[in-house]
Amino acid sequence: EADIYQTPRYLVIGTGKKITLECSQTMGHDKMYWYQQDPGMELHLIHYSYGVNSTEKGDLSSESTVSRIRTEHFPLTLESARPSHTSQYLCASSEGGGRNSPLHFGNGTRLTVT
Amino acid sequence: GENVEQHPSTLSVQEGDSAVIKCTYSDSASNYFPWYKQELGKRPQLIIDIRSNVGEKKDQRIAVTLNKTAKHFSLHITETQPEDSAVYFCASWGPYNYGQNFVFGPGTRLSVLP
Repeated sequence: EADIYQTPRYLVIGTGKKITLECSQTMGHDKMYWYQQDPGMELHLIHYSYGVNSTEKGDLSSESTVSRIRTEHFPLTLESARPSHTSQYLCASSEGGGRNSPLHFGNGTRLTVT
Repeated sequence: GENVEQHPSTLSVQEGDSAVIKCTYSDSASNYFPWYKQELGKRPQLIIDIRSNVGEKKDQRIAVTLNKTAKHFSLHITETQPEDSAVYFCASWGPYNYGQNFVFGPGTRLSVLP
């Protein structure tokens, strides 16, 4: 089934560790996004990509980085996790190409940094 | 840049009553307005959307109205049921939003009391 998949679903990690949150979509969408959201609270865009080899920073300053080597894959990396990074991270995709098409969200990764 | 305000931030209604959530936007070039529902612990999901060439759209118990002159759009839920309890986010999309991305409202927490 065409969808957007995130792993892991939950992650508890110690301060200073490097982590990568995985996101893959099977819908053939060009645009992909990472949002940070405390549960039930505002959605903050931290990174987005128009397509392969395209990455842009969003409106929320983030210490994370992203890469887009393949259309379907958009991983997010934290080089050194801190307690302030504790949050939920939602990956999303859309048809893009300048068209105003809706976002499809993954189930999210809930990150806790101890 | 675009700014989206959403009111109320919380809303409690009795089962069977109607609920209305209103969003205002600032950029007159915005032309697409989706609404997302996020149940506790789940991903945001698109429930209805409207484009700027339409004034109203309905889908069973939910409807969205758009007033381009006043730059606001509203979500209407009739005959509310307990499963409508969730956080609802409005969003706007416009060609001049940074990177052609969505701008989200801060969310409305709807509680439907049995």
